[in-house]
Amino acid sequence: AQTVTQSQPEMSVQEAETVTLSCTYDTSESDYYLFWYKQPPSRQMILVIRQEAYKQQNATENRFSVNFQKAAKSFSLKISDSQLGDAAMYFCAHHPYSGAGSYQLTFGKGTKLSVIP
Amino acid sequence: DAGITQSPRHKVTETGTPVTLRCHQTENHRYMYWYRQDPGHGLRLIHYSYGVKDTDKGEVSDGYSVSRSKTEDFLLTLESATSSQTSVYFCATKQILEWEQYFGPGTRLTVT
Repeated sequence: AQTVTQSQPEMSVQEAETVTLSCTYDTSESDYYLFWYKQPPSRQMILVIRQEAYKQQNATENRFSVNFQKAAKSFSLKISDSQLGDAAMYFCAHHPYSGAGSYQLTFGKGTKLSVIP
Repeated sequence: DAGITQSPRHKVTETGTPVTLRCHQTENHRYMYWYRQDPGHGLRLIHYSYGVKDTDKGEVSDGYSVSRSKTEDFLLTLESATSSQTSVYFCATKQILEWEQYFGPGTRLTVT
């Protein structure tokens, strides 16, 4: 079974600054996907960024980037030039590539990010 | 985004009563999921479906049942609601051979 750990229940960042959210995971598989989801107060789950484990290059989406360290089973999210609209709960999630359990996401407990004007 | 709706969006019910939540999708996605979200726990999988009439249990399935009689609808039933089932429930869908799950808007259920 996979586990996903987010060790920072809450974080804050000054507007326009950079913040990094941490995530570690445990899996016995070599192929899998990793995701960061954002959940604003509206409750809607929004996919921020994804990373395929077989890719060495770190994924980037505009101001969002990841630091994927496969050997360390670490997957952190960096938000640059933070904006007020970035304030939300952020969830790290793991999805096996194939085989048993290939249908489901395993989520971390989340990190609540506050952005200070 | 996939067209996913959940009904009702909010519900208050009493302990011991049956409750059914509905998830409806218009994207013809094969896979459908029910998650619950609780403070300090993130989202946890309750049940999922990999086709019409094909379902399986997730991490927290006790006290819940599901049914999928057609592609577009996935029902989650609490046979006898308990206060521990007070939560926000999310439906999600995924197409075969794709990796992304699309989430519905959620249903807030309160069991008093």
